[in-house]
Amino acid sequence: DVQLTQSPSSLSASLGDTVTITCRASQTIGTFLNWYQHKPGKAPRVLIYSASKLQSGVPSRFSGDGFGTEFTLTISNLQPEDFATYYCQETYSVPRCTFGQGTNLEIK
Amino acid sequence: QLQLQESGPGLVKPSETLSLTCTVSGGSISNNLYYWGWIRQPPGKGLEYIGSIYYRGTTYYNPSLRSRVTMSVDTSKNEFSLKLSSVTAADTGVYYCARHGISAAEGYLHSWGQGTLVSVSA
Repeated sequence: DVQLTQSPSSLSASLGDTVTITCRASQTIGTFLNWYQHKPGKAPRVLIYSASKLQSGVPSRFSGDGFGTEFTLTISNLQPEDFATYYCQETYSVPRCTFGQGTNLEIK
Repeated sequence: QLQLQESGPGLVKPSETLSLTCTVSGGSISNNLYYWGWIRQPPGKGLEYIGSIYYRGTTYYNPSLRSRVTMSVDTSKNEFSLKLSSVTAADTGVYYCARHGISAAEGYLHSWGQGTLVSVSA
């Protein structure tokens, strides 16, 4: 099974900053990697699918990149509503999937 | 607009079976382009995939839970269900139902229920 390792596990940043979260897969998964934002009390929300495609309605300050085993989520010009937990997810062997352990983005 | 809603007991006793239902509205559960899945989040921990079901009844379960999980679908009611047997405190958490595509490229979870908290306690 594919294992995903996210780094860092937590991150502090200020409004207007640019941050990058990394997700590494234990085996090559092409571009079958997605990113979610999760806020307390709400359902997770997909931001990026297929490594770099922006989900409809998601602000363009979110971007994704990567192929194979290494992927990144970049958030530019951090806004107050961006402080949340972020997860990567692989769908290489759909219907099964695996999530990364999450990255908690906090306000500095 | 597609909506999913989880329902079921919020409290389950240890060793008993957790049972949840996800009712789908605004779309057909029999759509052949999608799977219907369950995901959970224990308190203070990350998201964990439980399993998925296709409208024809084909299932896939997380190997770590496979021995205790049963999923079913009722197309006449446009709903699908989760049963998790022999629960312990480790099964406490928020349970989400969601929809995802059948291909790897479309396999992301793009529609979610609001989640329901299930506590396992005597």
